[in-house]
Amino acid sequence: AQTVTQSQPEMSVQEAETVTLSCTYDTSESDYYLFWYKQPPSRQMILVIRQEAYKQQNATENRFSVNFQKAAKSFSLKISDSQLGDAAMYFCAYRSPQGGSEKLVFGKGMKLTVNP
Amino acid sequence: DTGVSQDPRHKITKRGQNVTFRCDPISEHNRLYWYRQTLGQGPEFLTYFQNEAQLEKSRLLSDRFSAERPKGSFSTLEIQRTEQGDSAMYLCASSPGQVSGKETQYFGPGTRLLVL
Repeated sequence: AQTVTQSQPEMSVQEAETVTLSCTYDTSESDYYLFWYKQPPSRQMILVIRQEAYKQQNATENRFSVNFQKAAKSFSLKISDSQLGDAAMYFCAYRSPQGGSEKLVFGKGMKLTVNP
Repeated sequence: DTGVSQDPRHKITKRGQNVTFRCDPISEHNRLYWYRQTLGQGPEFLTYFQNEAQLEKSRLLSDRFSAERPKGSFSTLEIQRTEQGDSAMYLCASSPGQVSGKETQYFGPGTRLLVL
């Protein structure tokens, strides 16, 4: 079974600074998908960024980018120019390739605080 | 596109009572998912529908839990004889259902259940 580990339960960052959230996973599958989701306080979960394991190029979405290290099974999220609105719980998630399970396997999450 | 909606948003019940939650996915989304999120944890997969067919169930979905999606549109999740351990946020998500794996799952705001 696949597992996702987020070892840092909380982090804080100063507004306009850069922060990196770590995530590791365990799988025997060679092809899969990785996601970072954001869950603001009392609001619904939204997708931040997605990475396909067969792609060597790291995904980027505006201020958000990932460092995907397939051999190390590591998938970290970098937030540049942090904004107050980035404060939220961040969840790393794994999904099997087409033909496999449709479920997302989530880590325990990490609470990010952005200080003004 | 009004997003995924869930009803009710909050439910307080006494142990032993039955509860039912409703999820309305994004229009024309074929896939619908249920997850459970307890305090301090990431969401855990419960079950998934492709149209009206329930294709995958987690072992977390005990015989007290039942989910339906009778016409391939909205879904209901029923918990019978609730226990205090059922207290959690119940999340619904939907996805288009065109391509497995990398599809984004869009989450609803959740139903928070408290069993007294």
